[in-house]
Amino acid sequence: DQQVKQNSPSLSVQEGRISILNCDYTNSMFDYFLWYKKYPAEGPTFLISISSIKDKNEDGRFTVFLNKSAKHLSLHIVPSQPGDSAVYFCAVNFGNEKLTFGTGTRLTIIP
Amino acid sequence: GAGVSQSPRYKVAKRGQDVALRCDPISGHVSLFWYQQALGQGPEFLTYFQNEAQLDKSGLPSDRFFAERPEGSVSTLKIQRTQQEDSAVYLCASSLVPGTGKEKLFFGSGTQLSVL
Repeated sequence: DQQVKQNSPSLSVQEGRISILNCDYTNSMFDYFLWYKKYPAEGPTFLISISSIKDKNEDGRFTVFLNKSAKHLSLHIVPSQPGDSAVYFCAVNFGNEKLTFGTGTRLTIIP
Repeated sequence: GAGVSQSPRYKVAKRGQDVALRCDPISGHVSLFWYQQALGQGPEFLTYFQNEAQLDKSGLPSDRFFAERPEGSVSTLKIQRTQQEDSAVYLCASSLVPGTGKEKLFFGSGTQLSVL
């Protein structure tokens, strides 16, 4: 069974500091990893992705790191801003068209 | 607007009732997905359409769940004889290209179904 785990249900970070969200997954040969962000009463919106052939992808304030040996994915947001307060979902594509999502981490940025 | 539209936004059903949830994807989007999100969980895959063809329905939890996309645009998810465990947010997502799992999905705001 292919699983995706986000072990921290919530995280609070001071504005301007770095936010680090973590995700662990089970082993698979063909993986592609995505992060989605969700505000209350809205659907998830795509944030950033990374292929299993890379170990880092950067887009502005957002950087995703992939550690394949540890089966671990992390999202770094720096500097954190109040508008970053949301629920963040890690999602993994295990080789077909569907995504397997983690349970999410609620990020709160403290002004 | 130009986004994915879902209706109704909220639906309350008595146990045993049939419900129909509608999704209007972004115009021209080939792929359409339905996901189910229970309280405190991440979205879980239900089914996938490429145009009007339902290519994967492996996530539908029972034969009470049925989805269609007859003209390759609007999709309807129907749940027959609803049960309390069907209570969840049902999310529709679309993408411009055929589904590979690597494309950006555009999600609607979802339909929150409560079965009493």
